Amino acid sequence: NAGVMQNPRHLVRRRGQEARLRCSPMKGHSHVYWYRQLPEEGLKFMVYLQKENIIDESGMPKERFSAEFPKEGPSILRIQQVVRGDSAAYFCASSPETSGRWETQYFGPGTRLLVL
Amino acid sequence: DAKTTQPNSMESNEEEPVHLPCNHSTISGTDYIHWYRQLPSQGPEYVIHGLTSNVNNRMASLAIAEDRKSSTLILHRATLRDAAVYYCILRALLYGGATNKLIFGTGTLLAVQP
Repeated sequence: NAGVMQNPRHLVRRRGQEARLRCSPMKGHSHVYWYRQLPEEGLKFMVYLQKENIIDESGMPKERFSAEFPKEGPSILRIQQVVRGDSAAYFCASSPETSGRWETQYFGPGTRLLVL
Repeated sequence: DAKTTQPNSMESNEEEPVHLPCNHSTISGTDYIHWYRQLPSQGPEYVIHGLTSNVNNRMASLAIAEDRKSSTLILHRATLRDAAVYYCILRALLYGGATNKLIFGTGTLLAVQP
């Protein structure tokens, strides 16, 4: 069973460009989470999605950031007009269907975004 | 979610046991205690979890105080590959569409010396 896959693993963008980060959850998982880890800081929750629905986006910056998890295909975290402060490691995690309990989250290897 | 407190860093020697403490004095009755770790340049990985009783799995053991206000992650024989940041996280039982997010603290950076 393949784990959570993220691509690209490294992404370099110039200020003002768009960054698209992809996450393919583990087989059978319908829940996806995105976390960001700024340099020398801890992991911060950004957004929680189920297929075609955003459940919790309380950690998403108000502007320039968006996320989706379509019925078919990977989850996408999109950052428009990137700035240097967006440079960070972005981790995706997935979990199976939640039914009245928490579920273990399985993390991908991350995408390291560098904004020049 | 209730807050956890962990030492910033700890050191261990290879093949010796390691005890990583976590304080969670405001834990509620339905909070589970979870541990994740993050190896260098990798995503976090689940280690173990428990509610009241001590727990063992292939990776580690979790010892939970009787009053549940603290817990200890035990690595029985540390290896160089166990060098990582270890996070103690409290997770409440959730129902319906409630969010399942993890709230990471600063964790404990474990260094393992050969």
